[in-house]
Amino acid sequence: QTVVTQEPSFSVSPGGTITLTCGLSSGSVSTSHYPSWYQQTPGQAPRTLIYSTNSRSSGVPDRLSGSILGNKAALTITGAQADDESNYYCVLYLGSGVWVFGGGTKLTVL
Amino acid sequence: QVQLQESGPGLVKPSQTLSLTCTVSGGSISSGSYYWTWIRQPAGKGLEWIGRVYTTGSTNYSPSLKSRLTMSLDTSKNQLSLNLTSVTAADTAVYYCARGVTSGRYFFDSWGQGTLVTVSS
Repeated sequence: QTVVTQEPSFSVSPGGTITLTCGLSSGSVSTSHYPSWYQQTPGQAPRTLIYSTNSRSSGVPDRLSGSILGNKAALTITGAQADDESNYYCVLYLGSGVWVFGGGTKLTVL
Repeated sequence: QVQLQESGPGLVKPSQTLSLTCTVSGGSISSGSYYWTWIRQPAGKGLEWIGRVYTTGSTNYSPSLKSRLTMSLDTSKNQLSLNLTSVTAADTAVYYCARGVTSGRYFFDSWGQGTLVTVSS
């Protein structure tokens, strides 16, 4: 069974830069997995941030960016702000109409 | 702007069938540009993709749930539905419906607010 891996938690200082990653238990993540990223605060529905590796969803500031770094998808946040403190989920398209979410990264800004 | 709203019983007994509906407004579920997805989240845990249904009615399900799952569209009501049979406490979660984008981009661009389903006797 394919597992999508994310760092369980991360912390960043206000104004700092952080990169969250999204990997595969077996193999490398590529653009063909169409990685997308979602932000979720407790009690709220997820919000779409990034799709197709590096395209920003409407209203997402350009201090958030997506990429492929090595064999993983990555979400980079520059100039971290207090309201970036959230859970972040990546999801990969495995083909044949099947997606798998990562376990999520809890980001703390302090 | 499209809006999605999940509805259904908040409490289901073990071994029974969980049935949920997602009502779509501000857009047609018959649009070939989109597919319709269910995603769930147990309390304090991560998101889990459950399955999707396309406008043609074709479906794809998570391998772990495939044997218990049925998803369908009712175009007359602009709704999608989910039926999960033989539920256990492990199926307790917030269930979200979401719209997925085709055209080779494969992501979810609109989400419902979610509905909590508890499996308990």
